[in-house]
Amino acid sequence: QPVVTQPSSASAALGSSVTLTCTLTGGHSDYNVAWHQQQPGKAPRYLMKVERSGNYNKGGGVPDRFSGSSSGADRSLTISNVQFEDEADYYCETWNSQVFGGGTRLTVL
Amino acid sequence: EVQLVETGGGLVQPGGSLRLSCAASGFIFTRFALSWVRRAPGKGLEWVSSISGSGSSTYYADSVKGRLTISRDNSKNTVYLQMESLRVEDTAIYYCAKDMGSGYVDYWGQGSLVTVSP
Repeated sequence: QPVVTQPSSASAALGSSVTLTCTLTGGHSDYNVAWHQQQPGKAPRYLMKVERSGNYNKGGGVPDRFSGSSSGADRSLTISNVQFEDEADYYCETWNSQVFGGGTRLTVL
Repeated sequence: EVQLVETGGGLVQPGGSLRLSCAASGFIFTRFALSWVRRAPGKGLEWVSSISGSGSSTYYADSVKGRLTISRDNSKNTVYLQMESLRVEDTAIYYCAKDMGSGYVDYWGQGSLVTVSP
């Protein structure tokens, strides 16, 4: 099964942009991923599915500031005009939901 | 509107049992696989188990195989997680999650806390 690697932390200044990346390893660099956001004390929320092609499909109500992209084995989530409410843990998921990355904690400065 | 509502969590001693339920609404229940995903204190999300829309196929993480059993009652739009021989390391918030139809989660429940402690 694939292994998904994510940086454990990231930070961004209010109003700036930040790109979070998950890397597919274990010979599964062609897999799609889904990104989820978990704000402190809340349940996870589906953000988008990012395909190998770079196409992405967002969940209902996800702000336009969130976008996805792909390059090689990397599947990325970009947040533009970062807001304080974007401070959260971000997870990527793949392989029939059976593999989650370790998550990236985003701090907004 | 899709809703997933988990119930059944609580405090249990090591070796004990518990059954979680997830009542679903807002979609055609039999068409979608459902999963349980947990988050232990200080850790990230961990997949636990999945069940197909018909209920004929089930899948388990190695860490829970033989102790946890997933099932669904399509007449009640409910999925269950029967938890036996619970261990301290099973302490977590357990989330019910709906598959979008292509192997990825698109909706989450609010979670149910399971605490395993002497």
